[in-house]
Amino acid sequence: EPEVTQTPSHQVTQMGQEVILRCVPISNHLYFYWYRQILGQKVEFLVSFYNNEISEKSEIFDDQFSVERPDGSNFTLKIRSTKLEDSAMYFCASSLLAGGNTGELFFGEGSRLTVL
Amino acid sequence: TQLLEQSPQFLSIQEGENLTVYCNSSSVFSSLQWYRQEPGEGPVLLVTVVTGGEVKKLKRLTFQFGDARKDSSLHITAAQPGDTGLYLCAGDSQGGSEKLVFGKGTKLTVNP
Repeated sequence: EPEVTQTPSHQVTQMGQEVILRCVPISNHLYFYWYRQILGQKVEFLVSFYNNEISEKSEIFDDQFSVERPDGSNFTLKIRSTKLEDSAMYFCASSLLAGGNTGELFFGEGSRLTVL
Repeated sequence: TQLLEQSPQFLSIQEGENLTVYCNSSSVFSSLQWYRQEPGEGPVLLVTVVTGGEVKKLKRLTFQFGDARKDSSLHITAAQPGDTGLYLCAGDSQGGSEKLVFGKGTKLTVNP
């Protein structure tokens, strides 16, 4: 069964360092997302990506964050200068239809980011 | 801001019991999705409900979408230890937004 895969599963970094989280969405999906979940809190939307550009982003997704799909298969989330409060589980998701049109989201297993 | 409140936050029951968990909002959603999340893993979609009043069944799980599309419930019949997990509801924001708004979840423990 097709699945969304994410790497690394866990990354520990120092405050101020750059981090890149990688995702391979399901191959025929068109919409890609990053969500995050701070320990004990809700899953929060960060950004959606369609047709090689950001289609929507939340207020969390500030200038420190960026996404790209460099080679047509990988979908990456970059945090330029990590802060302590960026520590969270980051989930990549993909869907065939847009989430706002009841497109079913398939989530990866997450990348746990710990910022020291 | 659209919010989804889930209750109860924690639920611990014995195998064989029935249970209902709730997902409520003051906002209208185009659809609601229910996910189950295991520790250290991503949410896995269980069902999507779209029409007000809709009822969907998935084996021992029954999902209902409120008539006004502001709330939903998940009922589990004869719970089993394998049902243990975090149950999340998530709603499609209206107005063409692509993001899902998640509730905080109900952590269910089914004891053998």
